[in-house]
Amino acid sequence: SQTIHQWPATLVQPVGSPLSLECTVEGTSNPNLYWYRQAAGRGLQLLFYSVGIGQISSEVPQNLSASRPQDRQFILSSKKLLLSDSGFYLCAWSVRDRGLSTEAFFGQGTRLTVV
Amino acid sequence: QQQVKQSPQSLIVQKGGISIINCAYENTAFDYFPWYQQFPGKGPALLIAIRPDVSEKKEGRFTISFNKSAKQFSLHIMDSQPGDSATYFCAASHYGGSQGNLIFGKGTKLSVKP
Repeated sequence: SQTIHQWPATLVQPVGSPLSLECTVEGTSNPNLYWYRQAAGRGLQLLFYSVGIGQISSEVPQNLSASRPQDRQFILSSKKLLLSDSGFYLCAWSVRDRGLSTEAFFGQGTRLTVV
Repeated sequence: QQQVKQSPQSLIVQKGGISIINCAYENTAFDYFPWYQQFPGKGPALLIAIRPDVSEKKEGRFTISFNKSAKQFSLHIMDSQPGDSATYFCAASHYGGSQGNLIFGKGTKLSVKP
């Protein structure tokens, strides 16, 4: 069965420090991978998605970047965190199915607090 | 046109009652409409989903009603239980747009009172 791992679960970082959140998927190959951010009282905002190794698309301009060094590994990074980067970050994956939308499977999330 | 509008923002229902959450969309190219359930501190989990070729889908106490002409869909939770207390998100996607990425509503916080 497929599983998605996301870590750490919580993180407190000072303003201006770097960030690296990691997500890995097991039990599937060639998945689409996603990073979402969820602010308090708001919906899920898509930050980045990837359809393959090294292929990253950004949905919104921001202080963050993403990388996909391996097929089932997705990393969210920042060189210098801002207070506004605080939030709940969720990694997700979906089956890469041509011509058909499918569900996304989410990790357990990382609660990031920038102080 | 890519938005999904969800209402209400919060909902309080008595145990045993019916919870109804509504969503509306504009993009007629959307071809997949899931509902996700999220408990505090956890990632969202798929609850039930529908495609536009059917008007209703039922799984246990959860039912999606889909109105293609009105571009609306809703989640009905029958016999609501305190364990159903969570935040619910509707979403929509179409494969031709951004590889089928889900567009989420802003969520509804459901509280079921015992």
